Amino acid sequence: AQSVTQLGSHVSVSEGALVLLRCNYSSSVPPYLFWYVQYPNQGLQLLLKYTSAATLVKGINGFEAEFKKSETSFHLTKPSAHMSDAAEYFCAVSETGYSTLTFGKGTMLLVSP
Amino acid sequence: NAGVTQTPKFQVLKTGQSMTLQCAQDMNHNSMYWYRQDPGMGLRLIYYSASEGTTDKGEVPNGYNVSRLNKREFSLRLESAAPSQTSVYFCASEPRQGNPYEQYFGPGTRLTVT
Repeated sequence: AQSVTQLGSHVSVSEGALVLLRCNYSSSVPPYLFWYVQYPNQGLQLLLKYTSAATLVKGINGFEAEFKKSETSFHLTKPSAHMSDAAEYFCAVSETGYSTLTFGKGTMLLVSP
Repeated sequence: NAGVTQTPKFQVLKTGQSMTLQCAQDMNHNSMYWYRQDPGMGLRLIYYSASEGTTDKGEVPNGYNVSRLNKREFSLRLESAAPSQTSVYFCASEPRQGNPYEQYFGPGTRLTVT
């Protein structure tokens, strides 16, 4: 069965610092992996997705994630945090294109000036 | 295009009352989903409809029913609300299952059951 673990329910960074949000997955087959972002009082929107093409995936707003099969990880990074990045971030996995998504519990990113 | 719309935005129910959460999408998507979001729990799938005319249970279907009224609309019904169903409910749609398409989310319905 597929599952996702996000390490750290809250991550705090200073504006301009590196953002690193961790995601590890469990899947019996090569998975599809996603990062979604949720701003306060809004629905989720897609940041980026891994679909077995390039292992380094670039998304919107300067975010990127690297698929590492040996580590079963798909960590999200951004070189320089901006105040507007403060939001909750969810990692999600789908074992095949016909599987439903399984979401992690989310990581709240706090950005201080 | 409005995308995915949900009504109502907020609702307070008493235990035992019933209600229907409405969801509609105008993107001609085949697949639609209902999730609930609870603090520290992420999003959990309640029911989904891979295509018009089909519905399937997700991870937490107990206490809920759904209807795929047509291609655009997918409603979620609570027959006898319980305090454990206090949550934020999100509807999402996807062009179709097969290939990892993006799911598009509505703004959510905040439900409180007292």
